[in-house]
Amino acid sequence: KQEVTQIPAALSVPEGENLVLNCSFTDSAIYNLQWFRQDPGKGLTSLLLIQSSQREQTSGRLNASLDKSSGRSTLYIAASQPGDSATYLCAVDNAGNMLTFGGGTRLMVKP
Amino acid sequence: GAGVSQSPSNKVTEKGKDVELRCDPISGHTALYWYRQRLGQGLEFLIYFQGNSAPDKSGLPSDRFSAERTGESVSTLTIQRTQQEDSAVYLCASSLGAGSPYEQYFGPGTRLTVT
Repeated sequence: KQEVTQIPAALSVPEGENLVLNCSFTDSAIYNLQWFRQDPGKGLTSLLLIQSSQREQTSGRLNASLDKSSGRSTLYIAASQPGDSATYLCAVDNAGNMLTFGGGTRLMVKP
Repeated sequence: GAGVSQSPSNKVTEKGKDVELRCDPISGHTALYWYRQRLGQGLEFLIYFQGNSAPDKSGLPSDRFSAERTGESVSTLTIQRTQQEDSAVYLCASSLGAGSPYEQYFGPGTRLTVT
């Protein structure tokens, strides 16, 4: 059974810092990995999807990497802003029919 | 274009009552998923629909839970004889297809409170 772990559970940084969020998974036979953000009381917003054959994806200040063999992904946020404050979720797709989610990293960027 | 929509946004019900939650996926998306997020916990997969194939119900927690989907459109999740442990945010997602490279797009969720 796939298990997804995110470290740290919470992170507080001053505005402008670069930061890295970590995700690990136990079963490397994945179709893809997605990073989402969740704002309080709202649904999930998809940030990046990395297919199993890819090593990284970039969107603006976000860069996600994938090392399938070691079961790890990182989300790099450059020049963080207060608007980046949210919970970031990592999710893996093993069978093409469901996502297994990590517990999330709650990020606070202080002005 | 329009995203995934869900209704109602909030539902308060008494223990023992039945509830029905609705999801409208993005037009043209063949795959539809239901998840739930209980307070302080991660998202749990409930059920998956892909086109006209039989749904994957492996995540449904009990036989009080059921879901239907009409073709490739609206889906309803029904919870019978609700219990307090059913209180959660129920999230629906849809995607163009199943698996890679298709992203899942989520609706805003329905917050269910069972009193």
